[in-house]
Amino acid sequence: GAVVSQHPSRVICKSGTSVKIECRSLDFQATTMFWYRQFPKQSLMLMATSNEGSKATYEQGVEKDKFLINHASLTLSTLTVTSAHPEDSSFYICSARDGSGGSYQPQHFGDGTRLSIL
Amino acid sequence: DQQVKQNSPSLSVQEGRISILNCDYTNSMFDYFLWYKKYPAEGPTFLISISSIKDKNEDGRFTVFLNKSAKHLSLHIVPSQPGDSAVYFCAAGGGGKLIFGQGTELSVKP
Repeated sequence: GAVVSQHPSRVICKSGTSVKIECRSLDFQATTMFWYRQFPKQSLMLMATSNEGSKATYEQGVEKDKFLINHASLTLSTLTVTSAHPEDSSFYICSARDGSGGSYQPQHFGDGTRLSIL
Repeated sequence: DQQVKQNSPSLSVQEGRISILNCDYTNSMFDYFLWYKKYPAEGPTFLISISSIKDKNEDGRFTVFLNKSAKHLSLHIVPSQPGDSAVYFCAAGGGGKLIFGQGTELSVKP
């Protein structure tokens, strides 16, 4: 159980393109989803917390207009990197938490998206 | 300001022996802690967690120890197996969010 599907797994595109990444909880309802970014050999850095039906909460230093998050249903959150540039190239990974168990439930992760902007 | 630190980037252990992965944190307000395992090109997989009110939690070959006075937790894997080779992240939770350490790459040699 607790499967999170994230796609696409890899995106290569030109500078200026907007890229949408989807995160789905397949066998549970996720009232809260999280978006992380990971640089090579570094930790997962939380970008934003996404709550179903409300606006995302962004961490300090993360541009909300650059990284648009939508959590329209209990099983789907999307991250759109708008007008992507080479410095946005990174590994983006989402997670979801089962809403039925409270905030101590572990987050379950998707397999990440490797974004490369040329 | 790194609130969760894993000071060993890598660890090599012989198959059958104990692997001990360490993690330190600075914020005494964290109320639960988790360990995740990550293979290349995959997302982290939840392994084991511990509440701040406990000092030990065991699940099969995996045991997590928490020393709150030292703000230190560790993951013990006994016996270690080659399939355990992966990057291990500790994470500290509070206020609904997780803060991750940098990860330790464990290599278990046959």
